[in-house]
Amino acid sequence: AQTVTQSQPEMSVQEAETVTLSCTYDTSENNYYLFWYKQPPSRQMILVIRQEAYKQQNATENRFSVNFQKAAKSFSLKISDSQLGDTAMYFCAFMSSNFGNEKLTFGTGTRLTIIP
Amino acid sequence: EAGVAQSPRYKIIEKRQSVAFWCNPISGHATLYWYQQILGQGPKLLIQFQNNGVVDDSQLPKDRFSAERLKGVDSTLKIQPAKLEDSAVYLCASSLEARSGSYEQYFGPGTRLTVT
Repeated sequence: AQTVTQSQPEMSVQEAETVTLSCTYDTSENNYYLFWYKQPPSRQMILVIRQEAYKQQNATENRFSVNFQKAAKSFSLKISDSQLGDTAMYFCAFMSSNFGNEKLTFGTGTRLTIIP
Repeated sequence: EAGVAQSPRYKIIEKRQSVAFWCNPISGHATLYWYQQILGQGPKLLIQFQNNGVVDDSQLPKDRFSAERLKGVDSTLKIQPAKLEDSAVYLCASSLEARSGSYEQYFGPGTRLTVT
């Protein structure tokens, strides 16, 4: 079974600074997908960024980028030029590429607070 | 495009009572998921449907939880009888058919259940 570990329960940074959220995972599979989801206080889960394990290039989405280290099973999220609207819970999640096993396995989350 | 709809948004019941949650996925999405998110934890899959068939219900406490998706569209999740430990947010998500290669899951706003 896959596991996802987020070792930073809470983080806070000043507005406009850069912050990195850590995530490690454990799996015996070679092909899979990794995600970062954002859950603001309103509770709706929103996809921030995704990474296919077979791609060596790290994914980027505007101010969000990942550092994917497949051998180390590490998948960190970097938020550049942080904004007040980035305040939320951030969840790292794993998905198998095997058909019939598309469930997301989530970490326990990191509560990020952007300080004005 | 309309998102995933869920109702009710909040529900308070006493232990041993029954409760039902409703989910309407994004139009055309064949795969539907129910997740349970206990306070302070990441969401955990309860059940996954592909059209109106169950793909994965290994984490569903079948002695008290049931779910159905009779026409392959809307879904209901029922708890009977409820226990105190069922207090959680119940999230519904949907995605295109897994084999289509589009694996992104879209989440609804969730139903917050409090069992007293």
